[in-house]
Amino acid sequence: EDKVVQSPLSLVVHEGDTVTLNCSYEVTNFRSLLWYKQEKKAPTFLFMLTSSGIEKKSGRLSSILDKKELFSILNITATQTGDSAIYLCAVAGPRNKLVFGAGTILRVKS
Amino acid sequence: EAGVAQSPRYKIIEKRQSVAFWCNPISGHATLYWYQQILGQGPKLLIQFQNNGVVDDSQLPKDRFSAERLKGVDSTLKIQPAKLEDSAVYLCASSLLGGASSVAEQYFGPGTRLTVT
Repeated sequence: EDKVVQSPLSLVVHEGDTVTLNCSYEVTNFRSLLWYKQEKKAPTFLFMLTSSGIEKKSGRLSSILDKKELFSILNITATQTGDSAIYLCAVAGPRNKLVFGAGTILRVKS
Repeated sequence: EAGVAQSPRYKIIEKRQSVAFWCNPISGHATLYWYQQILGQGPKLLIQFQNNGVVDDSQLPKDRFSAERLKGVDSTLKIQPAKLEDSAVYLCASSLLGGASSVAEQYFGPGTRLTVT
């Protein structure tokens, strides 16, 4: 059975801290790995990773994939209170079917 | 570009009642997905349509859940009869592609929060 595991389940940091969120997976016929940010209800797309070792960056957020070790990390530098959210990792298999992890709850304190 | 639209945003029903949710995907998106997100868990795919055909409904509890996407645009998801464990947020998403060899980011609607009492 396909599985995506995220860690930690939750963490609390102070503004300005750097955080690293982890995602490991066991999925047959891997196509891509995606990161989403979920505030309130709708997950919003952050990154899609398909190749190992190539960092994707958007502002203070970056992510990288290791297809040999089957994991990805999401880094957030200089955290702000607006970064408080649930961060979801999902892996896409054939036909773009996504399998999600349970998410990491991030709380940034001012 | 308008996003994925869903209605209603909230619904409270008693167990054994029926309920329906509606989704209108982003214009031009051929693939539409319904997810169930139970509190504390990630979204779980219930059903995936490509145009008006079902691609994957392996995790849809077919004894009580049904979905359709007539004309390949908007879609409805129905639960009949509802159980307490159906309390969750129901998310609709759409993507531009979705064939066997393609990958594409999925865009999510605001969801419908269902409470079954």
